[in-house]
Amino acid sequence: GAVVSQHPSWVICKSGTSVKIECRSLDFQATTMFWYRQFPKQSLMLMATSNEGSKATYEQGVEKDKFLINHASLTLSTLTVTSAHPEDSSFYICSARDWRQVTYGYTFGSGTRLTVV
Amino acid sequence: AQKVTQAQTEISVVEKEDVTLDCVYETRDTTYYLFWYKQPPSGELVFLIRRNSFDEQNEISGRYSWNFQKSTSSFNFTITASQVVDSAVYFCALSEYTGANSKLTFGKGITLSVRP
Repeated sequence: GAVVSQHPSWVICKSGTSVKIECRSLDFQATTMFWYRQFPKQSLMLMATSNEGSKATYEQGVEKDKFLINHASLTLSTLTVTSAHPEDSSFYICSARDWRQVTYGYTFGSGTRLTVV
Repeated sequence: AQKVTQAQTEISVVEKEDVTLDCVYETRDTTYYLFWYKQPPSGELVFLIRRNSFDEQNEISGRYSWNFQKSTSSFNFTITASQVVDSAVYFCALSEYTGANSKLTFGKGITLSVRP
């Protein structure tokens, strides 16, 4: 079945530094990638949607200059949290789909737990 | 705009009890998909089921069953003879069929605790 590999699974970084999270679709082409953030005991909130080769579309309230998304190929998308601050500490999850395959659902990565100290 | 409501926030049951998790949705589209996901403490989302809006048949998979009722905009999930391993957060989600960027809207989730 479809698999999305997300790395790293957890990361601790110092305030002010940048962190990159990668999501790779292993056995299908991710025409669309969704990035979610989940705070403790809360639901998943969509941050942005990206299509391969295009700029990402950000949800209202999400700073595009802070959360840089790159979706340069059909198998790789990255989220870079720039100048991270403690309030950016959260669980980040990617979700990929091939919209050309109507029978496909949304394949989620295993998530990245970011802690900014 | 689409919306998913999971009114129950936390449910605690004793092992072997049956438990039903409720999900109510709102959408203006006639074509849409409904999902249930399980999120254990490790954090990854485990896909449980996807149902399209034209298929109102109930589904059973082992101890899991789902009841889809368009008349009440509900897609409820029942676990029969619950087990400790069922303890997790369960999310109901909705996707409107809008093409490439159809996004999933999640409910707030229900924390299920199954006690031995």
